[in-house]
Amino acid sequence: GQNIDQPTEMTATEGAIVQINCTYQTSGFNGLFWYQQHAGEAPTFLSYNVLDGLEEKGRFSSFLSRSKGYSYLLLKELQMKDSASYLCAGPRLGTTDSWGKFQFGAGTQVVVTP
Amino acid sequence: DVKVTQSSRYLVKRTGEKVFLECVQDMDHENMFWYRQDPGLGLRLIYFSYDVKMKEKGDIPEGYSVSREKKERFSLILESASTNQTSMYLCASSLSGEGPGELFFGEGSRLTVL
Repeated sequence: GQNIDQPTEMTATEGAIVQINCTYQTSGFNGLFWYQQHAGEAPTFLSYNVLDGLEEKGRFSSFLSRSKGYSYLLLKELQMKDSASYLCAGPRLGTTDSWGKFQFGAGTQVVVTP
Repeated sequence: DVKVTQSSRYLVKRTGEKVFLECVQDMDHENMFWYRQDPGLGLRLIYFSYDVKMKEKGDIPEGYSVSREKKERFSLILESASTNQTSMYLCASSLSGEGPGELFFGEGSRLTVL
């Protein structure tokens, strides 16, 4: 089964804020990644968290709590171009040396409406 | 900018055919990966490689093999294609050492097996 869990779909209006949650179970934690994937395109890297807390990058922020196995991606001031799938990725279950060996969640489709 | 190039965007093959998917990256990355992406399942790791002539199985290696004869090139081989291998295949590369080791993806190869 999936080691990484995230919601399937979220809908929000232009200008709003959306928070995408991600939970994971792993004993070999080496960071939590978020990627964005527009329909028909390759995923692109958004953010990386290895320490607890919030990392802010413009309109996008990512939060990590290692003790809770929990992360979220926060998208502020939503724009139509933010309609995409957002993928949470962490270490594969059972790995202790997880460098590069990521496991992805199924992705959260964010739909931004006018 | 890192560029990961996959040889074919779309392929249609018949059951039992041998299929080669080629991937080339131009940034001297040590690590290369093959994923397949299916709706509702997300990205699943097929094989990865940390060095030339080195390969390791991912989560779903059955029915696939790989080849890495040169650092920049990582090939995925389907010895005898089956209909359940119809999918989007994504190649990725990453840098070892300093930094988070985020993945850089190619545009994907959509394979249909009839």
